Amino acid sequence: EAGVTQFPSHSVIEKGQTVTLRCDPISGHDNLYWYRRVMGKEIKFLLHFVKESKQDESGMPNNRFLAERTGGTYSTLKVQPAELEDSGVYFCASSQDGNEQFFGPGTRLTVL
Amino acid sequence: GESVGLHLPTLSVQEGDNSIINCAYSNSASDYFIWYKQESGKGPQFIIDIRSNMDKRQGQRVTVLLNKTVKHLSLQIAATQPGDSAVYFCAEEGGGNKLTFGTGTQLKVEL
Repeated sequence: EAGVTQFPSHSVIEKGQTVTLRCDPISGHDNLYWYRRVMGKEIKFLLHFVKESKQDESGMPNNRFLAERTGGTYSTLKVQPAELEDSGVYFCASSQDGNEQFFGPGTRLTVL
Repeated sequence: GESVGLHLPTLSVQEGDNSIINCAYSNSASDYFIWYKQESGKGPQFIIDIRSNMDKRQGQRVTVLLNKTVKHLSLQIAATQPGDSAVYFCAEEGGGNKLTFGTGTQLKVEL
């Protein structure tokens, strides 16, 4: 069974540009989460989808970040416009019943 | 790896020795705790979990201890192997499935 996959693995963009990260959860997992680790800090929660609905988006830093999960399958996280402080590693996780979360390998975002 | 710029506490152990990694959590209302292992270039991988109604749980070569009085969690790895080298994170869940992670500990296994 395939695990959580994320694309791209690494993205380098300039300040002010737009980047879209994609997450494909484990098939059948209704719960999908986004986390990120910015430089020098711990992994922090961004938001939680249950199917296509946002269950909790309390961790989204500001309105430059937009997450979607149309159809309740894969999810995208768009950053527009990107700022220097957005650099870090963005992780996606999924779970079937809201308990054990399985993490993807992450997308390393570098904003220059 | 993702630890660049992040100064993690480091634990160095000899192969075959036991390792103990500690974590302090912040939310006294948290009722679910997990230990994750993260190897370079990979995402966090579940190791073991424990609920707040327990104070100890054992897995294969790993044991998690929970002390709710002082809000302390520990991970014990028996007979540490080179493949155990990684960054270890504790995480707490206080409701709503949102995980709050600790800063992590780098475990280095010396041959």
